[in-house]
Amino acid sequence: DIQMTQSPSSLSASVGDRVTITCRASQIIDISLNWYQQKPGKAPKLLIYAASSLQSGVPSRFSGSGSGTDFSLTIASLQPEDFATYYCQQSFNIPRTFGQGTKLEI
Amino acid sequence: EVQLVESGGGLVQPGGSLRLSCAASGFTFSRYWMHWVRQVPGKGLVWVSRINNDESRTNYADSVKGRFTISRDNANNTLYLQMNSLRAEDTAVYYCVRGNYGSGTYYYYYYMDVWGKGTTVTVSS
Repeated sequence: DIQMTQSPSSLSASVGDRVTITCRASQIIDISLNWYQQKPGKAPKLLIYAASSLQSGVPSRFSGSGSGTDFSLTIASLQPEDFATYYCQQSFNIPRTFGQGTKLEI
Repeated sequence: EVQLVESGGGLVQPGGSLRLSCAASGFTFSRYWMHWVRQVPGKGLVWVSRINNDESRTNYADSVKGRFTISRDNANNTLYLQMNSLRAEDTAVYYCVRGNYGSGTYYYYYYMDVWGKGTTVTVSS
């Protein structure tokens, strides 16, 4: 199975900050990397697919980059509604695997 | 509106069975692969299973292989997860998820773009 490792596991930031979350795959996965946001008690929401493509309706302050084994999610200017947990997920092969999550706190 | 609504969760004893359902609406269900993903409260997301659009291909996580069966009814826009021989470690919120894909010049990419709200399964005596 492909292991996905996110860092940091938690992050404290303020409204207006620029933050970056990284995700590393245990083997090359090309651009088969997706990012999801989850708020407490809610289902995950797709933010970024194919490493850098913004899902429809997602604000442009979210961006993704990377290929191969190293990826990142950047939020350009944090808004109050962005405080949540973020997960990366590889779609290179089965089983699909997720990172452990990064909790973004105020 | 594109929507997935899970049902069928509940409390079951270890060794028991449960069948989850997921009603799809707002899109052509028969064109999409579908997944189940679970999450222990307070923990991360874990992929469980997937099924292709015509039910000819299925995959499972090792932790559920031989105990869970994914299926679908395209005529009624419904996805199922039959869970047998349930264990305490199967306790989780189960999400029904739509799989989608796109393509570049030389590759395909896959993602999960629509999620249900989840149904809770508790395995306990």
